[in-house]
Order: sequence, then structure tokens, then C-alpha cells
Amino acid sequence: EVQLVESGGGLAKPGGSLNLSCAASGFTFNGAWMIWVRQAPGKGLEWIGRIKSKTHGETTDYAAPVKGRFTISRDDSESTLYLQMDSLKTEDTGVYYCSTDGYSWGQGTLVTVSS
Amino acid sequence: DIQMTQSPATLSAFVGDRVTITCRASQSISISLAWYQQKPGKAPKILIQKASNLQSGVPSRFSGSGSGTEFTLTISSLQPDDIATYYCQQYIVPYTFGQGTRLEIK
Repeated sequence: EVQLVESGGGLAKPGGSLNLSCAASGFTFNGAWMIWVRQAPGKGLEWIGRIKSKTHGETTDYAAPVKGRFTISRDDSESTLYLQMDSLKTEDTGVYYCSTDGYSWGQGTLVTVSS
Repeated sequence: DIQMTQSPATLSAFVGDRVTITCRASQSISISLAWYQQKPGKAPKILIQKASNLQSGVPSRFSGSGSGTEFTLTISSLQPDDIATYYCQQYIVPYTFGQGTRLEIK
């Protein structure tokens, strides 16, 4: 069974940083393209970015609102996906989901950016 | 970036009704489109990918159609368990979602 478990959410101040993790199991993680999606309170889904598999160069792509501030990475030896979030803004508040390119999803982790 | 315009924003229908949700892309995306169902407090669940391919385990009352810029999600006979918000998503980088359609039972 595919399992994705996000962690690392919490409260951060504007301008601060957080690092989210997504622990994967039940599938061949090193071959999977992975994405992060977020959802602000009461709002719709917003794609943050994607990382391809090592075979495809571990290329990353980002949405405009987070480009230059967020970094997606992966550790295939640990079957873990990461989202490093820097220069946080209040509008980054929301639930953050990791996903196997849309097919399987974690339960999400809440990030709150507030002073 | 490709903009996805989804309509209606809210849809109210009776159990047993045929329901259709529309998604329009700002430029052609061929069939690079998925539909998701999201229930309150839960992660999204993929229903359809490549515009019309039903995911394994998804009830056959769900179907998708379209290509290019116009897409539809149809529920042939609405069931109480279908109460959720539905999103379309195009997957040409940067991926973008529609605004969502909240489906209610009358």
C-alpha cells in the first residue's frame, strides 16, 4: 500500500524558514516524480512544484509565487521528499500535501506563517 | 502559465441526477488533464487522468471527456457519497488547478 506521510509543519514568522518532509513507502520511490501542493484555509488547491526522478535528472520546476524561495529535493536512499521553505510570507499559510504526481497523496501538514 | 476556468463554482442537484462540471484551458493542453475529488479535511483523490481515463477503483458513474481547451466531468447518477469539491488540473508545467466546484445535494 502506498503511504505518504508529511511532517515538519508548524508556526513560523514572516521571513522565516521551515523544512517539510514527506516519508514514502509502498512503492518504488526512486522512480517516482513527486509534487507538492498546498491549500490555503478555505481556498482551492495550488501546485507548488515538482521533482523528477534521478533517471530524469532530478529536474525541479516551481510555481511563480514560490520560485526562488522554496526548494524541492529528495533522498532516494531514505525514500523521503523535502520542501525547504525560506523567506516565508503570510500568504504561504495552508495545508501542504506531497503526492506521487497526483496519484497518491499524504494527509497534509499545516503551515502557519504569522507574527 | 495556463489558466484553468472551472464552472460552475457551486452545483446543487438531486440524488440520481446527471451532473456535469466544465473546465476550460486558456490554451490547448491536448489531453493533459486530471480531475480530483476532495472531501472536507481530506486530501484530494484522483478520479480521471488523461482527460478520460478512469482511475482504478473509481465508480463507473464518473466519466471525463474533452481535449484541447474544453473538458467535462460527468457523474451519471449522483449519489450522496459524491458530495465534495471537484477540481480539474492541467499537467503541463507549471501545473495549474481550476478554482473548484462545490457539489451539494438538494
